[in-house]
Amino acid sequence: KNEVEQSPQNLTAQEGEFITINCSYSVGISALHWLQQHPGGGIVSLFMLSSGKKKHGRLIATINIQEKHSSLHITASHPRDSAVYICAVAMGNEKLTFGTGTRLTIIP
Amino acid sequence: EAGVTQFPSHSVIEKGQTVTLRCDPISGHDNLYWYRRVMGKEIKFLLHFVKESKQDESGMPNNRFLAERTGGTYSTLKVQPAELEDSGVYFCASSQDGRETYNSPLHFGNGTRLTVT
Repeated sequence: KNEVEQSPQNLTAQEGEFITINCSYSVGISALHWLQQHPGGGIVSLFMLSSGKKKHGRLIATINIQEKHSSLHITASHPRDSAVYICAVAMGNEKLTFGTGTRLTIIP
Repeated sequence: EAGVTQFPSHSVIEKGQTVTLRCDPISGHDNLYWYRRVMGKEIKFLLHFVKESKQDESGMPNNRFLAERTGGTYSTLKVQPAELEDSGVYFCASSQDGRETYNSPLHFGNGTRLTVT
């Protein structure tokens, strides 16, 4: 069992829908990262958080340390949001443990 | 500011050959990380440099993999001899200050896709 579990693995939605991607982890962490990878592209860091909530444009990331759970939300989704979204955690050192990713497809 | 750059973007080699991947981190970033994603699996940590020193190399799969960061600037990852299972995408990332992870976002390169035939 992976220490970082993401759900769903695949998500297809219509343009404009509100999107939620979940990440659960099983150990104590110092930070959690949300990353984005477009098809054939590199990895972009969206958020790094250790508590609370962060917002950037249409993206919102939340984390609940007690419940060992984080969510990534996308409001007013757009086809250009189609990508793989990856959750990764740092467990007190610099080594990141990654989830398997959520493949998001937004249909126009 | 130039981002993290990796070279080459693609490499196709035969089993038994040697390949060297290069990563140029963002200037001034002390921390440099190598990660790998093999087909169908999650990204896995390989190793972490702080300047020129290997801070953590617990993810290196075996002694066919050698990473260096001479002078604390760019890094190379050499695979010798390459095996079929080494195929995957190798990512490099850098961050400025590793002492406080929550204040040091990671910057990733575009990766090197390695295919061993």
